[in-house]
Amino acid sequence: DVVLTQTPPTLSATIGQSVSISCRSSQSLLHSNGNTYLHWLLQRPGQSPQLLIYLVSRLESGVPNRFSGSGSGTDFTLKISGVEAEDLGVYYCVQGTHAPYTFGAGTKLELK
Amino acid sequence: QIQLVQSGPELKKPGESVKISCKASGYTFTNYGMYWVKQAPGQGLQYMGWINTETGKPTYADDFKGRFVFFLETSASTAYLQINNLKNEDMATYFCAREADPWGQGTLVTVSS
Repeated sequence: DVVLTQTPPTLSATIGQSVSISCRSSQSLLHSNGNTYLHWLLQRPGQSPQLLIYLVSRLESGVPNRFSGSGSGTDFTLKISGVEAEDLGVYYCVQGTHAPYTFGAGTKLELK
Repeated sequence: QIQLVQSGPELKKPGESVKISCKASGYTFTNYGMYWVKQAPGQGLQYMGWINTETGKPTYADDFKGRFVFFLETSASTAYLQINNLKNEDMATYFCAREADPWGQGTLVTVSS
């Protein structure tokens, strides 16, 4: 199975600070059809996960544009340009290129 | 709007079975696969598998082969997860998801004698 390694496991930030989360895959996530099925989710406390970014860098409808995704192959990054209070929670990367789908272990974003 | 609404929390004894429903609305049910994800208390997300809503064919991740069953009631736009012979380690919140989005609100299954 593909292993997704997220770093850091915990991130402390102040409001307005820009932060980045890394997601590294044990194998390339480039599918034979040319797509890279790497997505980012946010799970706020007590809520179900919600999709933020899909296919590496595409912003889900309704998601603020302070969120951005980048990367290719095995290395991916989620960036938040100016953290807001509503951004607190656990961020997960998830891959759908190789069966079975797998999740990263999560990165908890806290207020400093 | 597109949403998935899951059934309520369950309290079961070891060895019993539980059936969780996931009702979809706001889109054509058979156009998207339905995925199931487990989240143990305080833990991350674990992919359980998915069901092809067009054919009804389920696919299970290795850790969920045997006691776990995905099935559909297509006429009601509803997917189900049934867990048989419950064990203590099955205690978790179970989510359905229409591929990556949206997700249901989760169903907490408590297993206690």
